[in-house]
Amino acid sequence: EVQLVQSGAEVKKAGDSLKISCKGSGYSFTSYWIAWVRQMPDRGLEWMGIIYPRDHLRNSDIIYNPSFQGQVAISVDRSISTAYLEWSSLRASDTAIYYCAKSYVGNAFDPFDLWGQGTKVTVSS
Amino acid sequence: EIVMTQSPATLSVSPGERATLSCRASENANDNVAWYQLKPGQAPRLLIFGASTRATGIPARFSGSGSGRQFTLTIGSLQSEDFAIYYCQQYTNWPPITFGPGTKVEIK
Repeated sequence: EVQLVQSGAEVKKAGDSLKISCKGSGYSFTSYWIAWVRQMPDRGLEWMGIIYPRDHLRNSDIIYNPSFQGQVAISVDRSISTAYLEWSSLRASDTAIYYCAKSYVGNAFDPFDLWGQGTKVTVSS
Repeated sequence: EIVMTQSPATLSVSPGERATLSCRASENANDNVAWYQLKPGQAPRLLIFGASTRATGIPARFSGSGSGRQFTLTIGSLQSEDFAIYYCQQYTNWPPITFGPGTKVEIK
């Protein structure tokens, strides 16, 4: 089965670090971009950034939404078909559901044909 | 950045009726617009890409149209499972890819 499975819900305090994961299976993980999308409470969807999980990542293989540049880090471990979204110091405003999503064809800016189930992150101040 | 707006914010429809959702781009998005369905606790689902192409497995009652700055998602005859929030997305001008604020389709 083609799927993206995300790590479980997290409850953290402001200032904590956090790394959530997204594991792909059932398809060639290294052939498609993986994006991260935020959904804040009662808000819409925001594209945070995208990564291409090739061997020997190039700078151009990670593209951030300027609004999130420097606030989060996107990475990947090809050996276990897993992408990550990481914060070094959480804020209460990071409280949201975070989705990973796979590019439809294999270009950085395709629509997303496969989504993870979402990871709910709650940050208390 | 292309700003996407959607209308209405909420659409109240009876089962079996037709629903028409609108999406407008602040700049020319060509036909690089997709539509997604989102239900609480579920992964979002791609419905339409390229403004009018149904994704794999999407029922024919879902159709998309438009180009440039104005786009429409039509649900031909609403089924109980179609009550959800629908988002449009542009992927022609990036970064960033941008989404509309969503239209909630609720039971009338």
